[in-house]
Amino acid sequence: KNEVEQSPQNLTAQEGEFITINCSYSVGISALHWLQQHPGGGIVSLFMLSSGKKKHGRLIATINIQEKHSSLHITASHPRDSAVYICAVPDYGGSQGNLIFGKGTKLSVKP
Amino acid sequence: NAGVTQTPKFRVLKTGQSMTLLCAQDMNHEYMYWYRQDPGMGLRLIHYSVGEGTTAKGEVPDGYNVSRLKKQNFLLGLESAAPSQTSVYFCASRGDLLAGGNDTQYFGPGTRLTVL
Repeated sequence: KNEVEQSPQNLTAQEGEFITINCSYSVGISALHWLQQHPGGGIVSLFMLSSGKKKHGRLIATINIQEKHSSLHITASHPRDSAVYICAVPDYGGSQGNLIFGKGTKLSVKP
Repeated sequence: NAGVTQTPKFRVLKTGQSMTLLCAQDMNHEYMYWYRQDPGMGLRLIHYSVGEGTTAKGEVPDGYNVSRLKKQNFLLGLESAAPSQTSVYFCASRGDLLAGGNDTQYFGPGTRLTVL
């Protein structure tokens, strides 16, 4: 079973700072997911990536398949970026493409 | 499109009571999932379904039952609620990879359940 570790667990930043959240996993994968959970509880998918880098607005996700590691970066952070960011990878021990989720990184951006 | 909806949003039960959580999706997705989210833990899979009429156990299935009688609906039942089932429950769905879908899961807004 794949193990997913995220760091840091909690992160407080000042508005405008560059943010990095890390995700490591134990078993090689075909794709990794980053999700965002809003303070109100809703969960949305941000990225699915299998190699290299993807960018969406101020969010950048990178993955290094050989090192089994991914990072989520936020440039010019803003208070509205405050949320829990979750990394997820396929559970190849299971079936049907189920995902295993990290515990999440709680980000708080202060104005 | 409403996406994925969940009913109810909040519920308080007494130990031993039963209830059913309803998940509905209007995206014609084959795959549907029920997760629970507890403080300090990642989302954990309770049960899932790969199509109408099929269900399978996930990581933490004990104390729960599910049914997928219609493709758009996935029901989660608690026959005899216990305080350990106090949690936030999320439903999710995704398309079939073989039919051109991808791995992305779409989540409902969650149901906050408290068992006293």
